[in-house]
Amino acid sequence: TQLLEQSPQFLSIQEGENLTVYCNSSSVFSSLQWYRQEPGEGPVLLVTVVTGGEVKKLKRLTFQFGDARKDSSLHITAAQPGDTGLYLCAQKLLFGNEKLTFGTGTRLTIIP
Amino acid sequence: ETGVTQSPTHLIKTRGQQVTLRCSSQSGHNTVSWYQQALGQGPQFIFQYYREEENGRGNFPPRFSGLQFPNYSSELNVNALELDDSALYLCASRTGTRAGYGYTFGSGTRLTVV
Repeated sequence: TQLLEQSPQFLSIQEGENLTVYCNSSSVFSSLQWYRQEPGEGPVLLVTVVTGGEVKKLKRLTFQFGDARKDSSLHITAAQPGDTGLYLCAQKLLFGNEKLTFGTGTRLTIIP
Repeated sequence: ETGVTQSPTHLIKTRGQQVTLRCSSQSGHNTVSWYQQALGQGPQFIFQYYREEENGRGNFPPRFSGLQFPNYSSELNVNALELDDSALYLCASRTGTRAGYGYTFGSGTRLTVV
């Protein structure tokens, strides 16, 4: 059974600080996606990474895919209250069906 | 119409009853997946349909079934509801099946079984 672990589970920081959240798997990904989910809403796709070592930037968010394609990180610079939400990573395995396996998420709260 | 629309948004059912949840996907999105998200958890894959045929299933019993229609809409049916079926049910759709394509999720249906 593949396991996708996210850390930390909860994170509460002041506005303007930087933070990094992590996603680790026991299996090799074919692709890794990051989503953000707000209360009462479905997850919204932030980025998809496919190539080992890949780095993608989305404004203040930097996503990194590990060289071995078993881990990923999301770094937020100068966090803002609008960044508050549940951050989920989701993997598709290198061999297997089309399902996405989600981590349990990191619940991020930015304090104004 | 853009986006993924789910209905109803909230639903309360009694244990043992049956429920049908509906999803309307974006035009051209021929792949649709359903997920169950319990409180405080990440979504869990139920099953996926591609061009109206099921092509992947998670660890859910047969009383969870689905349909996909040519007009990009789909249904999730759950029979013999149990208390543990209480969750947010999410529909996600995309075009194609190649790795790297992201899913567009609906806002979900919050099902409460009492």
